[in-house]
Amino acid sequence: GQQVMQIPQYQHVQEGEDFTTYCNSSTTLSNIQWYKQRPGGHPVFLIQLVKSGEVKKQKRLTFQFGEAKKNSSLHITATQTTDVGTYFCAGLIYGTALIFGKGTTLSVSS
Amino acid sequence: EPEVTQTPSHQVTQMGQEVILRCVPISNHLYFYWYRQILGQKVEFLVSFYNNEISEKSEIFDDQFSVERPDGSNFTLKIRSTKLEDSAMYFCASSGLQNEKLFFGSGTQLSVL
Repeated sequence: GQQVMQIPQYQHVQEGEDFTTYCNSSTTLSNIQWYKQRPGGHPVFLIQLVKSGEVKKQKRLTFQFGEAKKNSSLHITATQTTDVGTYFCAGLIYGTALIFGKGTTLSVSS
Repeated sequence: EPEVTQTPSHQVTQMGQEVILRCVPISNHLYFYWYRQILGQKVEFLVSFYNNEISEKSEIFDDQFSVERPDGSNFTLKIRSTKLEDSAMYFCASSGLQNEKLFFGSGTQLSVL
């Protein structure tokens, strides 16, 4: 079936270091969305990217959508302990369902 | 902020039993979804629902599963005869636009013994 691949699966950083997670689809996406799930919590919507090459920022978070609309990345600058959790990309393939990647679990030590 | 509510938060059942998981989506949302997450794994799509019918369903959503909107506020997932491998966290979600900005409930942890 359709898949959205995400790497790395786990990432540990020291507080203040940067973090990036990458998302890739073999199929062109209608849009890509990013969600954050805190430990023991539920996915919470962060952002949606629709346009080819789009870049959006939310404070220390930068989201990019590739030119071919097949890949995306989330970059966090100067991580904080509040950034811990699992970050999921979710790709929408035209006319179908929103498919989640496996997620990248971020841990941050102070 | 409006939220999606799910009940119960935990459900323990014996293999072969029927379970019904309940959800109250955000009131002005028109699109409803069920996803599930096996511990530590990815969020898997089960089914989407709009205008009182299924829009899309995954391979996981076989004949043992059904969804219903019995009234103007509730959205339910029924598993007719539970199997051990149905044990997972089941998330309900809703959105105002199809497949955009999903709001998730806190989930129902289903344990099949």
